[in-house]
Amino acid sequence: KAGVTQTPRYLIKTRGQQVTLSCSPISGHRSVSWYQQTPGQGLQFLFEYFSETQRNKGNFPGRFSGRQFSNSRSEMNVSTLELGDSALYLCASSPPATGANEKLFFGSGTQLSVL
Amino acid sequence: GDSVTQMEGPVTLSEEACLTINCTYTATGYPSLFWYVQYPGEGLQLLLKATKADDKGSNKGFEATYRKETTSFHLEKGSVQVSDSAVYFCALSLGSSASKIIFGSGTRLSIRP
Repeated sequence: KAGVTQTPRYLIKTRGQQVTLSCSPISGHRSVSWYQQTPGQGLQFLFEYFSETQRNKGNFPGRFSGRQFSNSRSEMNVSTLELGDSALYLCASSPPATGANEKLFFGSGTQLSVL
Repeated sequence: GDSVTQMEGPVTLSEEACLTINCTYTATGYPSLFWYVQYPGEGLQLLLKATKADDKGSNKGFEATYRKETTSFHLEKGSVQVSDSAVYFCALSLGSSASKIIFGSGTRLSIRP
């Protein structure tokens, strides 16, 4: 069974640009969540999607947005990039019925560098 | 508010040494507790979990016991290996939503051959 797949693995952008990251969850998982990981802040929750609906959003500015498609794949977008957006962005999926309280399955992440 | 505090790293040990990584939590309810591990270049993987007081989670030689009286969930291993080098995250969950998971800041562990 394939794991959580995130693309691309690395991205280099400049300030002011926008970026789109993609996440394909484990087959059968309908819940997808996104995290920002930085050395100083650790893991910060960004969003959670379930069946194409955003269920929760973390404390991030409106430049951060996301969506989920009918096949459960998810994308997140960051517009008007700032230097502080440089981070590892992790996507995670969780099994139906048990949810994140049981276990999260993480992808390897997308390392975003903003120059 | 709810929070997780874990010992700062990096922690460097020799192979076959004993390991303890401290984790304490503050929560208003009755959380489930987790240890996740992140190997270089990878995402987090669940290492072990405990869902109620006095439960012991164990996996790959690692153990942690849910101590309600001390609000702690310390990670232990009797004999570490070079392959255990990774970042370890303590976390608590107060519900089935991913937004209810709070992660500690992570502890980097390096094992010398």
